[in-house]
Amino acid sequence: KNEVEQSPQNLTAQEGEFITINCSYSVGISALHWLQQHPGGGIVSLFMLSSGKKKHGRLIATINIQEKHSSLHITASHPRDSAVYICAVGDSNYQLIWGAGTKLIIKP
Amino acid sequence: ETGVTQTPRHLVMGMTNKKSLKCEQHLGHNAMYWYKQSAKKPLELMFVYNFKEQTENNSVPSRFSPECPNSSHLFLHLHTLQPEDSALYLCASSRATNEKLFFGSGTQLSVL
Repeated sequence: KNEVEQSPQNLTAQEGEFITINCSYSVGISALHWLQQHPGGGIVSLFMLSSGKKKHGRLIATINIQEKHSSLHITASHPRDSAVYICAVGDSNYQLIWGAGTKLIIKP
Repeated sequence: ETGVTQTPRHLVMGMTNKKSLKCEQHLGHNAMYWYKQSAKKPLELMFVYNFKEQTENNSVPSRFSPECPNSSHLFLHLHTLQPEDSALYLCASSRATNEKLFFGSGTQLSVL
């Protein structure tokens, strides 16, 4: 069993739908990262959080430390949100454990 | 634009070639990283440099040789690679080793 599990692996939705991507982990962490990777490779860090909730535009990330679970939500999804979303957990050093990613496709 | 620039974007090389990947950041970050991303696999950390000193070598074969001449530049020297080394190689930087990562666009490497 992987230490970081993302679900779903693939998600296709219509433009405007509310999107939820989940990340569960089995190790102790000090921070959890959500990143976005567009076709072509570039990775953008979306959030780094260790408790509670963060919001940036249409993106919301939450984390429940007790349940070892985090969710990434996208409101009013748009085709340009189509990408792979990656969850990674880390300790106080640089040892990040990466999830396998969730491939999101938003259809117009 | 993340502030981390990688060159080249694409590279095709034979198994006997020697080539180098370059990464540059002018964000004032002190930590730089090389990651490997193979198809359908999570990112694999290869090397970490913190204040120009290598602090992590994640059991990477010696045919990959990193170099960090200063805090802004990171190289990955490649020689006698194998076809299974074909992957996307990503550079990242962060202000400190436990802070948010900024990634380059990656070099898509094909070894023939």
